[in-house]
Amino acid sequence: GQQVMQIPQYQHVQEGEDFTTYCNSSTTLSNIQWYKQRPGGHPVFLIQLVKSGEVKKQKRLTFQFGEAKKNSSLHITATQTTDVGTYFCAGEVAGANSKLTFGKGITLSVRP
Amino acid sequence: EAGVAQSPRYKIIEKRQSVAFWCNPISGHATLYWYQQILGQGPKLLIQFQNNGVVDDSQLPKDRFSAERLKGVDSTLKIQPAKLEDSAVYLCASTPSWGYEQYFGPGTRLTVT
Repeated sequence: GQQVMQIPQYQHVQEGEDFTTYCNSSTTLSNIQWYKQRPGGHPVFLIQLVKSGEVKKQKRLTFQFGEAKKNSSLHITATQTTDVGTYFCAGEVAGANSKLTFGKGITLSVRP
Repeated sequence: EAGVAQSPRYKIIEKRQSVAFWCNPISGHATLYWYQQILGQGPKLLIQFQNNGVVDDSQLPKDRFSAERLKGVDSTLKIQPAKLEDSAVYLCASTPSWGYEQYFGPGTRLTVT
């Protein structure tokens, strides 16, 4: 079945450093979504990418969809303590009963 | 706009017991999802409803899990009998018919002892 991989599962950065994480799918995706889950919270939608090579920005967060639509990246510029949490990518394969398949997520901790 | 409501927030049961979870999606959202999130993993889809019809239940362990959304609004997920490996957070999410963003509820944390 479809797999969405996020490696590593944990990353620690110093506040102010940049952070990049990647997401890889075993199959070509119709779209990819990113969610953020704060400690003890529930996933919150961040963005959806649909087009090959698409780049979207949200303040200090930059999301990119790969040209082959099998991978994606999330880049955070100048991390802040408010960026702490687990970031999940979730991929969807085109089809009548398409569903989102979530990766295991990457948990980001930020040292003040 | 009220968010997705779930109850209970926490539940502790012994193995082989039964448990039920309730979800009320955001008003007007046609699609409702139940996910299982085991500690350290991403949400895994158990079942997806479109109004009161099942769209996908391919990952629902049907020998012990059941779910219904009789009137196309709120939904219940039941586990009978529970196993130790069912310990997880059960998340409900909903999506409007005009969108793709999934809105998650706070989840129910189930501990099976």
